[in-house]
Amino acid sequence: AQKVTQAQTEISVVEKEDVTLDCVYETRDTTYYLFWYKQPPSGELVFLIRRNSFDEQNEISGRYSWNFQKSTSSFNFTITASQVVDSAVYFCALSKGDSNYQLIWGAGTKLIIKP
Amino acid sequence: DAMVIQNPRYQVTQFGKPVTLSCSQTLNHNVMYWYQQKSSQAPKLLFHYYDKDFNNEADTPDNFQSRRPNTSFCFLDIRSPGLGDAAMYLCATSRENAGGAYQPQHFGDGTRLSIL
Repeated sequence: AQKVTQAQTEISVVEKEDVTLDCVYETRDTTYYLFWYKQPPSGELVFLIRRNSFDEQNEISGRYSWNFQKSTSSFNFTITASQVVDSAVYFCALSKGDSNYQLIWGAGTKLIIKP
Repeated sequence: DAMVIQNPRYQVTQFGKPVTLSCSQTLNHNVMYWYQQKSSQAPKLLFHYYDKDFNNEADTPDNFQSRRPNTSFCFLDIRSPGLGDAAMYLCATSRENAGGAYQPQHFGDGTRLSIL
């Protein structure tokens, strides 16, 4: 069965600290896709990154970086020099694998950045 | 800007009174999704359209229906809302092809539904 685990329910850090959000997944598919979405208090879900299973290169986008490791089935997300605007719920998601375009969602991690 | 627009932003209805939520998109994406999200939970897929083909999730209650009259619009109808249907309803779109590559989903701002 496919599963996404975000073990950190809530993380609170002080502004400018670095913070890593963990995502561990389970799948038997050889081809799969992983996503991160951000949901600020206003409610809309914002796409951050999509990664396919054949691309293990880490990615950096400004203060955001992602570490994909197939060996540990993890796709962790790091925010460097966090800012108050980063406060949100972050979801990790996995393609369901039946070509029906459904996602398996993690429970989300609520990130609180204190000024 | 191309986007996904949901109306209204907030909707209040009475217990048992039918309600319709709407979603429109200017992205020209072929797949449209409806999600239900309750407080502190992940979004839960209710159904989606791949072009005109409707795909219902097995655990979506019969109380929930959807219509997609054209590429740009999709509606969520709740025939007899119960108190348990109070939630945020999110519409999303993606551009998919037969290759099954799982393109990113683009979400609207959501409609928060309250039941009196």
